[in-house]
Amino acid sequence: NAGVMQNPRHLVRRRGQEARLRCSPMKGHSHVYWYRQLPEEGLKFMVYLQKENIIDESGMPKERFSAEFPKEGPSILRIQQVVRGDSAAYFCASSPSTTGHEQYFGPGTRLTVT
Amino acid sequence: GQQLNQSPQSMFIQEGEDVSMNCTSSSIFNTWLWYKQDPGEGPVLLIALYKAGELTSNGRLTAQFGITRKDSFLNISASIPSDVGIYFCAGRPRHDYKLSFGAGTTVTVRA
Repeated sequence: NAGVMQNPRHLVRRRGQEARLRCSPMKGHSHVYWYRQLPEEGLKFMVYLQKENIIDESGMPKERFSAEFPKEGPSILRIQQVVRGDSAAYFCASSPSTTGHEQYFGPGTRLTVT
Repeated sequence: GQQLNQSPQSMFIQEGEDVSMNCTSSSIFNTWLWYKQDPGEGPVLLIALYKAGELTSNGRLTAQFGITRKDSFLNISASIPSDVGIYFCAGRPRHDYKLSFGAGTTVTVRA
């Protein structure tokens, strides 16, 4: 039973480029969460999605960031016109339901903006 | 998200020693989770707690959900070198799905 999958594991982008991060939840999980982690800090919530719906994006910057979880395929976190401050590890977690409580994390995507 | 205070920030211990860390919240939580993160990897769920006063073990790990619902504790007994890593607490209030994380406790084990 495969866990949460994320790709790419490492992504380097120049300032102004776009970054696309992908997340495939665990089999049977329909709830996806994205978190950001800066060096030596805990994870910070960004956005919560169910299939084809954004439920809560209160932790996501209003500009340049967007997320989707289409009916088919992985969830995508998209960062447009990246800046150096976007450099961080981005983690995706999934759960079977909102009351499932437990969120299982993927290995993360390390984004470096040069 | 909620503010979680996790302590200690780091610890150096001898192999075989017991390790204790705790997490406190400014508000009441319905769920406490403890994760371990190795360098370059994602957090791995160690223990989940759902009820005030609950004491749960997973091998050498034991965690407790505080009676006040505002704190949780993790103990590691008889530490071994593979216990090295960063341990995070995470909590979730009732009727919420967002996890709030502590800043982590870095554990280094001296052989």
